[in-house]
Amino acid sequence: AQTVTQSQPEMSVQEAETVTLSCTYDTSESDYYLFWYKQPPSRQMILVIRQEAYKQQNATENRFSVNFQKAAKSFSLKISDSQLGDAAMYFCAYRSAVGYGGSQGNLIFGKGTKLSVKP
Amino acid sequence: DAGITQSPRHKVTETGTPVTLRCHQTENHRYMYWYRQDPGHGLRLIHYSYGVKDTDKGEVSDGYSVSRSKTEDFLLTLESATSSQTSVYFCAISELYYEQYFGPGTRLTVT
Repeated sequence: AQTVTQSQPEMSVQEAETVTLSCTYDTSESDYYLFWYKQPPSRQMILVIRQEAYKQQNATENRFSVNFQKAAKSFSLKISDSQLGDAAMYFCAYRSAVGYGGSQGNLIFGKGTKLSVKP
Repeated sequence: DAGITQSPRHKVTETGTPVTLRCHQTENHRYMYWYRQDPGHGLRLIHYSYGVKDTDKGEVSDGYSVSRSKTEDFLLTLESATSSQTSVYFCAISELYYEQYFGPGTRLTVT
């Protein structure tokens, strides 16, 4: 079974600085998807970025980028120019590209990293 | 935001009572999911649906049942609520090869 590990329960960054959140995963599959979700105090789960395992190029969305190392099974999120609104829980998630029945879309989540942003 | 609503948003109930949570979508997505979120556990899948009347169990399905009689509605039922089911419940939707979008969550307290 696949697992997702976020080894940093909490992190802190100064406003305008850069921070990297770590995520590792375990799988025997070669084709899968990885995601970062943000959960601010409002509790809403917001998709930040998505990476397809077959793509070598790291995904980027504005100030958010990932470092995807497939061989190392590592998927870190870099937030540049951190803003106060970036303060939230961040969850890394894995989704298989194969499966039986309707299970292909199921997400496996890490336990999350709480990011604080200092003004 | 994806058109997903959850009702109720907050509920307090007593141990042993039945509870039904509703997820409603306006996106016509095929897949729907129920998760629970607890401190230290992240989000864990309870049940999911891959079509009308097509449902299956997730990681933490004991004590929960689901039904999907229409594309837009996915119901989660706690037949006899227990204190261990106090949690925040999230519904999500997706199409097969795309990311999941989440509803606003329901905070359930079982006293």
